[in-house]
Amino acid sequence: DSGVTQTPKHLITATGQRVTLRCSPRSGDLSVYWYQQSLDQGLQFLIQYYNGEERAKGNILERFSAQQFPDLHSELNLSSLELGDSALYFCASSVYAGVYNEQFFGPGTRLTVL
Amino acid sequence: SQQGEEDPQALSIQEGENATMNCSYKTSINNLQWYRQNSGRGLVHLILIRSNEREKHSGRLRVTLDTSKKSSSLLITASRAADTASYFCATDSQGAQKLVFGQGTRLTINP
Repeated sequence: DSGVTQTPKHLITATGQRVTLRCSPRSGDLSVYWYQQSLDQGLQFLIQYYNGEERAKGNILERFSAQQFPDLHSELNLSSLELGDSALYFCASSVYAGVYNEQFFGPGTRLTVL
Repeated sequence: SQQGEEDPQALSIQEGENATMNCSYKTSINNLQWYRQNSGRGLVHLILIRSNEREKHSGRLRVTLDTSKKSSSLLITASRAADTASYFCATDSQGAQKLVFGQGTRLTINP
């Protein structure tokens, strides 16, 4: 158990819908990362927040957005869902923001778009 | 595009044998990390090696880094059935604040 929690574990929805994925980082970790893992694209970095501020951006679509709240939990919002958005979405956390830091991954949310 | 690429894509060996996985990357890096992922689960950090290090050990794991060849290898000695998983290398690009993961090597340890 990494100490990172993600809810829900599974999510099934229809195209065009909007969903919110939630992540609680490990106690004491200030940085949160979101990743998307799919069979064809592999593990793709989406976005990083550090202490409430956006720190780095990866291959995140405009239909996706995220935020980190004052209690440091984070939410990833996916809207106008398409079939291709079906994937495992992971949240990870680390103490600091830099790439030297070990990242602790949550169990993931499996999103299925029908 | 992927910064790191693992080789082989899949590896199947007998329990007790050593497993070697390789990772190649394209641009200069600050560090390289290896992660393990059991089927459908979150990734677990294994080891981090900095660009000025050439070799690092952790238990049955040995990681090497050759920055001149832009490559790294992960050696798992005396493999066990519990080592069955996918292994990913992750690299940063100098100046970038993100890790980029390779496609992974799927390792199967046969009893």
